This record gives sequence, structure tokens and C-alpha cells, in this order.
Amino acid sequence: GAVVSQHPSWVICKSGTSVKIECRSLDFQATTMFWYRQFPKQSLMLMATSNEGSKATYEQGVEKDKFLINHASLTLSTLTVTSAHPEDSSFYICSAPRTGQLLFGNGTRLTVT
Amino acid sequence: QQQVKQSPQSLIVQKGGISIINCAYENTAFDYFPWYQQFPGKGPALLIAIRPDVSEKKEGRFTISFNKSAKQFSLHIMDSQPGDSATYFCAASPNYGGSQGNLIFGKGTKLSVKP
Repeated sequence: GAVVSQHPSWVICKSGTSVKIECRSLDFQATTMFWYRQFPKQSLMLMATSNEGSKATYEQGVEKDKFLINHASLTLSTLTVTSAHPEDSSFYICSAPRTGQLLFGNGTRLTVT
Repeated sequence: QQQVKQSPQSLIVQKGGISIINCAYENTAFDYFPWYQQFPGKGPALLIAIRPDVSEKKEGRFTISFNKSAKQFSLHIMDSQPGDSATYFCAASPNYGGSQGNLIFGKGTKLSVKP
């Protein structure tokens, strides 16, 4: 069935390095995908909208040069956290619309040391 | 105006009891009010949703009550089970289904159902 798959589920990286997170729609196409960030015991905050074939749209306060988004195909969006710092440590979740609702991936736990 | 306020922050209920989580909003342009269930280390999953033209919606043990004039809505979990232990988020969106991603989430309620 239709599922949003996210990879990796967790990643640890050193400060200053870059990390790429993949979001795939399985068994359906998604011209739009959404990236959220969730801090511990906090709510989900929309970071950006990923658009297939065009530039991503970022929410206010989100650095587009730090969080690079590429919607390479109708089933894949990637989020690259560049020059990661400890404050970027968080739970990143993607979602895609499918038949009138949003399907969420299982998230990626990023820890920057 | 964009906030969705959720309470309580945490809730402990005995098995078989009723769990009640409340949310309030300000923006009258919101047209879609979903509830999501999230287990640790997982993404949120849609549980049940309602639109403002309906005062109540029931799906199995889960019921949403919606009060448009008070701008409040709540989730009731009847006959709560240990497997219901999770974090629950209410949300609101001006778009049906939240299909444009512009869901405004509450801060979540951690529910623990004791056996």
C-alpha cells in the first residue's frame, strides 16, 4: 500500500559535516512533499515544502542554505543538513499528500556531536 | 492566531477508562481538524479528523467532539487500552486533509494507560 519511507532512521555525525536524509513515496507519486522538524517533547514544525521540478519553499526562519532540499523525482525528496551543528540535532519527518490526507514517514533522528 | 493550544501535556488513565484531550484554536479560517497518534521513534499517523460543519465524529473507540462557537475540539478514547499509550497531537489546517502541508500542530499529549 501507499507508504512514505524515510532513510536513515537515525544518524550520528560530527559537527561541520553534512547529512542527507531521503524521503520516498512508495506505490504513489508525490509532486509535493513536506519536511518537518520535531524537538523532544515538542510539536512538529513545518520547515519547507519540496516541489518536484522546482525550488523548495521554506518557512520563515528556516535557512535555505543550511537545509538543502532536492525533489529529484516524483517519488524522492532529499533533505541535506549542511555544516551540521549540535543545535541541528532533532527528529526530522517528511510527509506526502495521498488521497486527501498526509502520510508521514517514520522520521530520522539526527544527532550532531 | 496560528496557534493550536493542547491540554493536558500528559495524561494517565486506567485500562478501560476514558481518555480526554482538548484543543483550542483562534483562526476561524481553519477547515480541517485531525488528530494524530505518534509512538516513540515513529512518525505521526492519522487517527481521526473532523470538519467544522460536524459537531461529532466517531470511529470505533475514538470520538472527536467539535464546538465551533467556542473554537474548541477534543478527542475521547473510550475503553482505553495499554496499546493506546502514545503521544497524541491535535492539528488544524485551512485546507481539507492538510494536503498542502500547512498543518498547525498542538504541542502533544503523552497518554499512558495503566493495566
